[in-house]
Amino acid sequence: DSGVTQTPKHLITATGQRVTLRCSPRSGDLSVYWYQQSLDQGLQFLIQYYNGEERAKGNILERFSAQQFPDLHSELNLSSLELGDSALYFCASSELTGLINGYTFGSGTRLTVV
Amino acid sequence: DQQVKQNSPSLSVQEGRISILNCDYTNSMFDYFLWYKKYPAEGPTFLISISSIKDKNEDGRFTVFLNKSAKHLSLHIVPSQPGDSAVYFCAATSYGGSQGNLIFGKGTKLSVKP
Repeated sequence: DSGVTQTPKHLITATGQRVTLRCSPRSGDLSVYWYQQSLDQGLQFLIQYYNGEERAKGNILERFSAQQFPDLHSELNLSSLELGDSALYFCASSELTGLINGYTFGSGTRLTVV
Repeated sequence: DQQVKQNSPSLSVQEGRISILNCDYTNSMFDYFLWYKKYPAEGPTFLISISSIKDKNEDGRFTVFLNKSAKHLSLHIVPSQPGDSAVYFCAATSYGGSQGNLIFGKGTKLSVKP
């Protein structure tokens, strides 16, 4: 157990629908990161939050949004889902920059859009 | 345009021998480099990092070498063990840039045979 909890582990939904992925960071970590891993791609950075505020944004689609709550858990909202959104979505956390000791990743949410 | 490339999708090594995983990058602004290991159905696990002010960093059986002029880094595992069989990701970022934006390679699958 890495200490980063992601729910649900698996999600199957239809095109056009909206889903919410949840992440609880490791205790004491203020930064939360979301990554997407598609079949033929590496891990793609989506967005970072630090202590409730958006800190950095990657290639996140406008249909996707995220937030970090006062208790530091984070949610990634995916709307108007398309087949191409099927992927593994990872959440990671770190105490500060995470550059020296790395990020701690959760085990991911596998999203399948049918 | 891939800024971090792992050109070998797979590598097979005999137990007890050295495993060398390679990674190339194109962005000269990158100054932190990290290696992660990933088992199936789990999130990536941080292994070791190196900053651009160093050319080598060691942690037990794992050593990362950085050649800035060649924009190349490698991970050496000595001796290799069957439990090291996993997918290894190289990642890079620029401390002065978007800190959350760890750019990952597509990974190299290492198989260590008993």
